[in-house]
Amino acid sequence: GAVVSQHPSWVICKSGTSVKIECRSLDFQATTMFWYRQFPKQSLMLMATSNEGSKATYEQGVEKDKFLINHASLTLSTLTVTSAHPEDSSFYICSASRTGRAQYFGPGTRLTVL
Amino acid sequence: GESVGLHLPTLSVQEGDNSIINCAYSNSASDYFIWYKQESGKGPQFIIDIRSNMDKRQGQRVTVLLNKTVKHLSLQIAATQPGDSAVYFCAENPSSGTYKYIFGTGTRLKVLA
Repeated sequence: GAVVSQHPSWVICKSGTSVKIECRSLDFQATTMFWYRQFPKQSLMLMATSNEGSKATYEQGVEKDKFLINHASLTLSTLTVTSAHPEDSSFYICSASRTGRAQYFGPGTRLTVL
Repeated sequence: GESVGLHLPTLSVQEGDNSIINCAYSNSASDYFIWYKQESGKGPQFIIDIRSNMDKRQGQRVTVLLNKTVKHLSLQIAATQPGDSAVYFCAENPSSGTYKYIFGTGTRLKVLA
């Protein structure tokens, strides 16, 4: 149990376009979902926390208008990178938690902006 | 600010030996800790967790030790296998009412054949 999926697993886009990444909890309802960003050989950096039906809480330094998060249901959260630029290229990972404190991570999405 | 750090960025272990990965944390308010394993190009995989009211917890081939006195966490892997090669992260969750994690910098475990 506690399987989290992400789609797509990788995406390449042109600078200036927007990209949407989906995060789904497949076998449980996630009360909270988290979005992380990870640069090569670095740790995970929390970008935002989202609860179903409410606005996401962004970490300091993360532009909410740049990284749009929608937590439409208890099994789906989306991250949209708007007007992507090469510096947005990164590995984006979501996680979901149910009633406990453990977070279960998705497989990640590799974004490359040309 | 608060941080979680690891003493060794890379650990090389002979196959079959035991591995010990260490983590220091600085937030005395943290009461929940987790170890994750991350293979290249994949998301972190939950290994084991421990609450602050415990000092030891065992799983399958893994043991987590918590020393609150010195704010130290360790992950022990018994009979290390090639499939254990990955980056290991510790994460702490301060008891602030949120489920936000603070991740350590990670340790790469290399298993030598």
